[in-house]
Parts: sequence; structure tokens; C-alpha cells
Amino acid sequence: QKEVEQNSGPLSVPEGAIASLNCTYSDRGSQSFFWYRQYSGKSPELIMFIYSNGDKEDGRFTAQLNKASQYVSLLIRDSQPSDSATYLCAALPRAGGTSYGKLTFGQGTILTVHP
Amino acid sequence: GAVVSQHPSRVICKSGTSVKIECRSLDFQATTMFWYRQFPKQSLMLMATSNEGSKATYEQGVEKDKFLINHASLTLSTLTVTSAHPEDSSFYICSAPAREGFNYGYTFGSGTRLTVV
Repeated sequence: QKEVEQNSGPLSVPEGAIASLNCTYSDRGSQSFFWYRQYSGKSPELIMFIYSNGDKEDGRFTAQLNKASQYVSLLIRDSQPSDSATYLCAALPRAGGTSYGKLTFGQGTILTVHP
Repeated sequence: GAVVSQHPSRVICKSGTSVKIECRSLDFQATTMFWYRQFPKQSLMLMATSNEGSKATYEQGVEKDKFLINHASLTLSTLTVTSAHPEDSSFYICSAPAREGFNYGYTFGSGTRLTVV
């Protein structure tokens, strides 16, 4: 069973703090990883994707990938109340398999940024 | 960026009727469309994958005769919930891979909130 696990949360941080969201995956062959933000009642929107080991930064967001540990994280710096949402981690299986293209989603972590 | 337009956003129907949900890729050609269902406070569950010009492939446990998927063109995929029942009430979302390929992410439609009464 290919799984993506996220820290259960909910996570509450004060405004201006760093929010750290974590994700582990069981399929070592997974090749790309995605972080989506989903506001209540809305569909997910892509924040970042990463497929190489290391860090990838985009504005206040940094994604980190460690394939040896099968670990993906998302850091949100200077958290704002508007960042309050559910964050979904997703993994893309390796190319060539029958599941290629089908994202596996984690259960999501609810983040609340309080003023 | 890539946009997937999904309609309707909300629909209420009577038990036993059918409902069609449309997803259109507005500025790119979506040869593949993924259909998800999401129950309250749960993550997305993949229902099926539609490919332009061929039959959809369904995930285990999803009734293909109940959830009819058609991908007749490179810009339109539809999901029809046939003979809907209250247990089919859910949030249905379509998603297409980025034009650059799967590795670059997926664009989601805005979702359809289906309520069966």
C-alpha cells in the first residue's frame, strides 16, 4: 500500500512565526512531491512542487525533500492568518508504472495562524 | 497558468436523478483528467482517470456504471452521477496535469458540491 502520511495536527502558530508541515511517504520510487493548500469548501491549489533532494524556495515557502529518509516538508515563514487552511502533501509515483500520474495524497494538516 | 473550469459549483438533486459535472481546460489541452471525491474532513480520493478518446479507468471500489465519465475532446471531460442517492453527496473535483507534464503539478477545478435529497 503506497501511503503518504502527514503530521496529524491541527497546527496552530502565531502570526509571524514559522509553520512547519511534515510528510513521509512509503513508495521509495516516488519521483515528485507537491504541496497543496485547501481552504474550507474550496478545491486545492498548488503551492510548490519538488523532485530533487534539498530545498526549494518560493517567497515565504520552502519545500524540503530528503529521498533517503522519504521525507518532505513545507516551511511557511512569516505566517499570516490568510495561511490558515488545510495543507495536503501528495506524491507522484515513478514513471512507467500503472499508477503513474495518479497522485497519492496525505490526509492533510490543518494549520491555524492566530493574530 | 493552466485553468480548469468546473461546473456547476453546487447542485442539489432528488434521489434517483442524474447529475452531470463538466470540466473544461481553458488554455491548454488536457489529454488526461483525474476525478476525485472528497468527504467532509477527509482527503481526496481518486475515483477515475479519463483519457481523451478512450475509456476511463476506475479505481477499485468505484462503480463505473454509476459514475459515467466521458472525455470526448481535449478540452472537456464530464462525470455523470447516475441514479444519485444521498450517500453520493460529496465534493467532486477534477484535476488535470500541467501542460509541462506530471512532474510540474496538477491544476484542480473549483469543485462541485453535490447534495442528494
